[in-house]
Order: sequence, then C-alpha cells, then structure tokens
Amino acid sequence: AQTVTQSQPEMSVQEAETVTLSCTYDTSENNYYLFWYKQPPSRQMILVIRQEAYKQQNATENRFSVNFQKAAKSFSLKISDSQLGDTAMYFCAFMKLYFGNEKLTFGTGTRLTIIP
Amino acid sequence: DTAVSQTPKYLVTQMGNDKSIKCEQNLGHDTMYWYKQDSKKFLKIMFSYNNKELIINETVPNRFSPKSPDKAHLNLHINSLELGDSAVYFCASSKRGTARTDTQYFGPGTRLTVL
Repeated sequence: AQTVTQSQPEMSVQEAETVTLSCTYDTSENNYYLFWYKQPPSRQMILVIRQEAYKQQNATENRFSVNFQKAAKSFSLKISDSQLGDTAMYFCAFMKLYFGNEKLTFGTGTRLTIIP
Repeated sequence: DTAVSQTPKYLVTQMGNDKSIKCEQNLGHDTMYWYKQDSKKFLKIMFSYNNKELIINETVPNRFSPKSPDKAHLNLHINSLELGDSAVYFCASSKRGTARTDTQYFGPGTRLTVL
C-alpha cells in the first residue's frame, strides 16, 4: 500500500516570501502521478499542480513549482511571491497508474498561513 | 457552470436517521468518487464508479451505499447514521487516460453533522 507523509503540520511565512512544503511517499510502483491540492477556508479542494512520475522535468504552474526526486520519493511544493490568498491547507496526493484503482492517497496536510 | 456539484452543502441530522447526498458533474468524465474528510482533515477514498460500475469499495460499513444512475451522477445513501459519520464528504470526478485527464476534480463538499 502507498503512504504519503507531510511532516510539517503548520507553516507560516510573510507575504511575498517563498515557502517550500515537504512531501515524501512510499511505493513500489514505477508509474504514478503526484498532486498538490489546496483547501482554503471555503473547504473547496483545488488542484494546484500535478506531476507524472515518468517525466523528469519538474512541473510548474505560475508561482507554484515542484521539486520531484523520484529516487528519494520526494515531492516538495515551492510557492514563490506568496500571497494572502495562498493561506490554506495543502495536501500532497499519490495516484497509481492502474485502471481500476485510480484512488488518491493523501498526506495529512500542511496548514499554511501567509502573514500580511 | 459548476463543474462538480453536491447537494446539500450542510446536513444536520439525528443518530439513526437515513440520509442521502447527491453529486453531479458536467465535465463529461466517466469516473466518480466519494471521499471522506474527518475532523483532523484527513481525506480517504470510500468508493469509485466508472461508467456506472463500482470499481473501488474501501472498507466502508455497508450502511453506506453509493448509487450511480448514470455517468454524470453519483449519490451516497447512508443508513442508520452514527455519531462517527460526522465528517465532510467530497465527491470528485475524472476521465481515464493521461495524467491531465485522470486528475480528479472535487465538489464543494457536504458537511454532515450527526447529533
């Protein structure tokens, strides 16, 4: 079974600074996807970024980028020029590349607060 | 033009009652899911359906019964509600294929409170 670990329950950073959220996972699979989802106080789960394990290039989406280290099974999220709207719970998630078992396995989340 | 919608958003009920949560997606996806988020914010898969067929059924009490009348809808019926069922229930959908299409999009969640 896959496990996802987020070792930072809470983080805070000043507005406009850069912050990195950590995620490690354990799997014996070679093909899989990794995701970061954001859950603001509104409760909505919002996709931030995704990474295919077979791609060596790290995914980026505007101010959000990942550092994907497949051998180390590490998938950290970097938020640059942080904004007040980035305040949220951030969940790292793993999904096997296997028809019939596309469930997301989530980490326990990191609560990020952006300080004005 | 909501992509994944759930009704109701809030549900407060007494122990022992039966209740349903409805989910609809207008993204043309073929796979739908139910996740439960507990009081500590931990999210866990409950069920998934592909083209109306049940494909994932994690160890969920049989008081929970999902039903998919068509690809765009997945409802969750809960019998004999217990205090421990209090949680936020999320519906999600995706389309099988590549990472871009396999990405799951979530509804707004239904906060269920059992008194």
